[in-house]
Amino acid sequence: ETGVTQSPTHLIKTRGQQVTLRCSSQSGHNTVSWYQQALGQGPQFIFQYYREEENGRGNFPPRFSGLQFPNYSSELNVNALELDDSALYLCASSSAYEQYFGPGTRLTVT
Amino acid sequence: TQLLEQSPQFLSIQEGENLTVYCNSSSVFSSLQWYRQEPGEGPVLLVTVVTGGEVKKLKRLTFQFGDARKDSSLHITAAQPGDTGLYLCAGTSGTYKYIFGTGTRLKVLA
Repeated sequence: ETGVTQSPTHLIKTRGQQVTLRCSSQSGHNTVSWYQQALGQGPQFIFQYYREEENGRGNFPPRFSGLQFPNYSSELNVNALELDDSALYLCASSSAYEQYFGPGTRLTVT
Repeated sequence: TQLLEQSPQFLSIQEGENLTVYCNSSSVFSSLQWYRQEPGEGPVLLVTVVTGGEVKKLKRLTFQFGDARKDSSLHITAAQPGDTGLYLCAGTSGTYKYIFGTGTRLKVLA
């Protein structure tokens, strides 16, 4: 077990709605990254937070946004949901060269 | 754009057989990680390699980082049904972003 937790585990939303996903990082890790993993593919980097600041971003539109809190937990917010946003959303906390993933949130957009 | 290509994409073998999975790129990475992912769960870190030519062993799994740090391989000896899963490689160039490979789906038949 990695110590990284995510909530909720599953979520069903309707196109156009907004969603917030949550992540608690492993103790001692101040860096959190979010990934989107479509079925049958490898994870795609969304963005990373380091000490409450966005530290880098992948090729995702601005309707994907995030926050990191003083305790290093994090949120991923997605506005105006589209059908293609259906995926497993993974949070990873990292230290040096290694990152540890949570179990993910399965989001289904109908 | 950095890309990591894995081969093969799918592999179905009998228990006791050996196999090798490859992860290749035209880009240099400062470190590379291998993960195994079960359906509906987050990837679990198996190993991190950081030095060109490095070889690491984890029980029946042997990981190698290419001399030029552009490629890596994972060799499994005497595969067991418990080795079944999606194997992912991920590289970083020392920045915030981890690039994931396309994945190799392994099925080991009893």
